[in-house]
Amino acid sequence: AQSVTQPDIHITVSEGASLELRCNYSYGATPYLFWYVQSPGQGLQLLLKYFSGDTLVQGIKGFEAEFKRSQSSFNLRKPSVHWSDAAEYFCAVGARYNTDKLIFGTGTRLQVFP
Amino acid sequence: SQTIHQWPATLVQPVGSPLSLECTVEGTSNPNLYWYRQAAGRGLQLLFYSVGIGQISSEVPQNLSASRPQDRQFILSSKKLLLSDSGFYLCAWSVERGTGNTIYFGEGSWLTVV
Repeated sequence: AQSVTQPDIHITVSEGASLELRCNYSYGATPYLFWYVQSPGQGLQLLLKYFSGDTLVQGIKGFEAEFKRSQSSFNLRKPSVHWSDAAEYFCAVGARYNTDKLIFGTGTRLQVFP
Repeated sequence: SQTIHQWPATLVQPVGSPLSLECTVEGTSNPNLYWYRQAAGRGLQLLFYSVGIGQISSEVPQNLSASRPQDRQFILSSKKLLLSDSGFYLCAWSVERGTGNTIYFGEGSWLTVV
């Protein structure tokens, strides 16, 4: 079955520390992968996406993610976290012509301490 | 540039009352349109999607319905709300291109059924 797993429900880091949010997927076709961020009470904003090519993808706000086919993972990273990064992060997977069927993980809530 | 508007932002409705959430997209034509629901502590669930005027696909059985009376307008409705309809509703759009189909979200509508 197609699925996305974000094993960390809640992560707390200090401002300036590095961050890695985990995402594992199970998908029968070639996956298209996304990370979205949601601030409290707001909609989702696209951080980055992977469709093909270089497996290290750069996004907005200094985030990057690396697609590892052998591990079925698409982890999100940031070298130095800012207090404004506190939010909920969602990983999603879809197929090239069928991403109306985007499958979302349950999210990881990031808390940043000063 | 494309923008998506969704309203109302917050809604408190009694059980058994009707519902109408509206969404419009500007700056693009013939978009794919979606309604998602996000319940507390859970990921995003796709409720409806539409690839054109009058074309609606339902993903889950429920007492909600969707309509697309115009190319860039998508409406979520219910004749009689249930307590379980409470949640955060997100409208989204996409335009499929050769490099894939990326979904962009509105700001969301909080619905509390009391």
